[in-house]
Amino acid sequence: AQSVTQLGSHVSVSEGALVLLRCNYSSSVPPYLFWYVQYPNQGLQLLLKYTTGATLVKGINGFEAEFKKSETSFHLTKPSAHMSDAAEYFCAVSDLGTTDKLIFGTGTRLQVFP
Amino acid sequence: DGGITQSPKYLFRKEGQNVTLSCEQNLNHDAMYWYRQDPGQGLRLIYYSQIVNDFQKGDIAEGYSVSREKKESFPLTVTSAQKNPTAFYLCASTLGGLAGVWSTDTQYFGPGTRLTVL
Repeated sequence: AQSVTQLGSHVSVSEGALVLLRCNYSSSVPPYLFWYVQYPNQGLQLLLKYTTGATLVKGINGFEAEFKKSETSFHLTKPSAHMSDAAEYFCAVSDLGTTDKLIFGTGTRLQVFP
Repeated sequence: DGGITQSPKYLFRKEGQNVTLSCEQNLNHDAMYWYRQDPGQGLRLIYYSQIVNDFQKGDIAEGYSVSREKKESFPLTVTSAQKNPTAFYLCASTLGGLAGVWSTDTQYFGPGTRLTVL
């Protein structure tokens, strides 16, 4: 079965600094990869997803992620953090060919300081 | 606006009680899901339904039950058999049903219900 690991349960950055949230996956088939964001006491919202094709995926709110097969990574980045980016971010991989479920990472909470 | 609604937002349960969490969607999606979220554990799948009158157990179905009598509704009952029900419960839906591979679809989430056992 596929799995996903998010390195760092908490990340803190200053407003205007680069945001980098790490995600590594394991998959025996070409993966479908997702990043979701959760604001406090709310549901999750899709930021971006990778299916096939271009490895650099652009999402909402200025976020982007790059699929690197050789590194089995799908890290999420944003050039300049904004206070409104403070939230919890979840990486997920589609468990294709096995359970066909969406496997979520344990999440990374992003804090943005003024 | 299309979307998913969950009610209530907050729910308190006494020991030995069954409680039902509501989930309704007007997105015309075939598939619906229930997740449980605990701090530091991400989301865990409780039950899912790919089509009306059919549903499947997820990874942590013990102590929970569901029904899918209508396409737009997927209520979750937390029974007294669930020994540690305090958590945040999220309902989601995807467009794909039996004809698709649902785990590759974008999931649309409701705002969640926070259940606390007194």
